[in-house]
Amino acid sequence: GNSVTQMEGPVTLSEEAFLTINCTYTATGYPSLFWYVQYPGEGLQLLLKATKADDKGSNKGFEATYRKETTSFHLEKGSVQVSDSAVYFCALSVAGNNRKLIWGLGTSLAVNP
Amino acid sequence: DTAVSQTPKYLVTQMGNDKSIKCEQNLGHDTMYWYKQDSKKFLKIMFSYNNKELIINETVPNRFSPKSPDKAHLNLHINSLELGDSAVYFCASSQSGTDTQYFGPGTRLTVL
Repeated sequence: GNSVTQMEGPVTLSEEAFLTINCTYTATGYPSLFWYVQYPGEGLQLLLKATKADDKGSNKGFEATYRKETTSFHLEKGSVQVSDSAVYFCALSVAGNNRKLIWGLGTSLAVNP
Repeated sequence: DTAVSQTPKYLVTQMGNDKSIKCEQNLGHDTMYWYKQDSKKFLKIMFSYNNKELIINETVPNRFSPKSPDKAHLNLHINSLELGDSAVYFCASSQSGTDTQYFGPGTRLTVL
């Protein structure tokens, strides 16, 4: 079946530290991969996505590369800010599955000044 | 301009009551969703409608009944509320053929 596994949190970093949140997946077919972010008290919003192998999604200084060989889509940012404190969700969708998103459990990130 | 809106934002009620949550989107999308997010942030899809037709109906108690009067609206009615229904409920929308979903701000339901 289709599933997403992401690293457990919480992750606590100091401002300007390097961030990696790991995400691996299993899927039938060729999934599209997503990172969504949920700021405190808000709904989720798309952070970035990649639709085929070797694609790199990027937004707001965050990046993730679709690695088919390792079935991974790790989220990275070179220098985090306090305003990046949020919960990050990795997700995938597979065509023909009513476009249902399969979600990871979410990783909470806290950035301290 | 709010893209996906939900009302109410907070809902506190007693066990056994019946309540509804409303969702509206002004993005022109044809697909809408209801999700439940528990206290550990776990996100679970409940229902999805495409052009007012139910296309996803996950294992959800039949006390939960969605209704889509038109493409822009998806409401969720919950009968006989239980303590375990306490959660944040999110509405989302998307356009057929695309994967990106747009979320509302959520409705925090507390059942006492």
